[in-house]
Amino acid sequence: GNSVTQMEGPVTLSEEAFLTINCTYTATGYPSLFWYVQYPGEGLQLLLKATKADDKGSNKGFEATYRKETTSFHLEKGSVQVSDSAVYFCALSSASKIIFGSGTRLSIRP
Amino acid sequence: DAGVTQSPTHLIKTRGQQVTLRCSPKSGHDTVSWYQQALGQGPQFIFQYYEEEERQRGNFPDRFSGHQFPNYSSELNVNALLLGDSALYLCASSLVQTDSYEQYFGPGTRLTVT
Repeated sequence: GNSVTQMEGPVTLSEEAFLTINCTYTATGYPSLFWYVQYPGEGLQLLLKATKADDKGSNKGFEATYRKETTSFHLEKGSVQVSDSAVYFCALSSASKIIFGSGTRLSIRP
Repeated sequence: DAGVTQSPTHLIKTRGQQVTLRCSPKSGHDTVSWYQQALGQGPQFIFQYYEEEERQRGNFPDRFSGHQFPNYSSELNVNALLLGDSALYLCASSLVQTDSYEQYFGPGTRLTVT
């Protein structure tokens, strides 16, 4: 069945460091891909999305490119801030429901 | 534009009891999905409602049931609560006519079963 595998955390970086969180997926067809973020004590917020191969989603300095050949959707940011500390979930659409990865906790040191 | 709202925020129940959680979708949305997020894990799909009917269901027992009302709001009911039902329950809304199946999530209801 369809599934998402993402980099296990926690990930701890210093402010202004480069961030990569790896995500790969298994799916039939051509799902849409998403990154959701969950700040402490809050619900899920859509961070970015891509709906077809080679699309690049971007928001708040974060980017991810839909790579069909490697079935990947890695999240990147050039310079992280303390306010980026949260749990990040990679996800895909499957028959109108969302399938999530297990999440990666990111902590940024000042 | 109101987003997805859920009530209550927190709830404490005893094993064997029944609970009802409520969700109002984002304005203009017609589809409501429910997810269970156990501590430290990603959300797991419970079921989805559209046009007041259950459209699809995840791998959850019949103790989990739901309802959608004509105004698109929804309820999640859980009977015979188990300790393992303790989790954050998330409601998400969407439009059935969308290519990306993008869903907008509410803040969740934290259920604790003792």
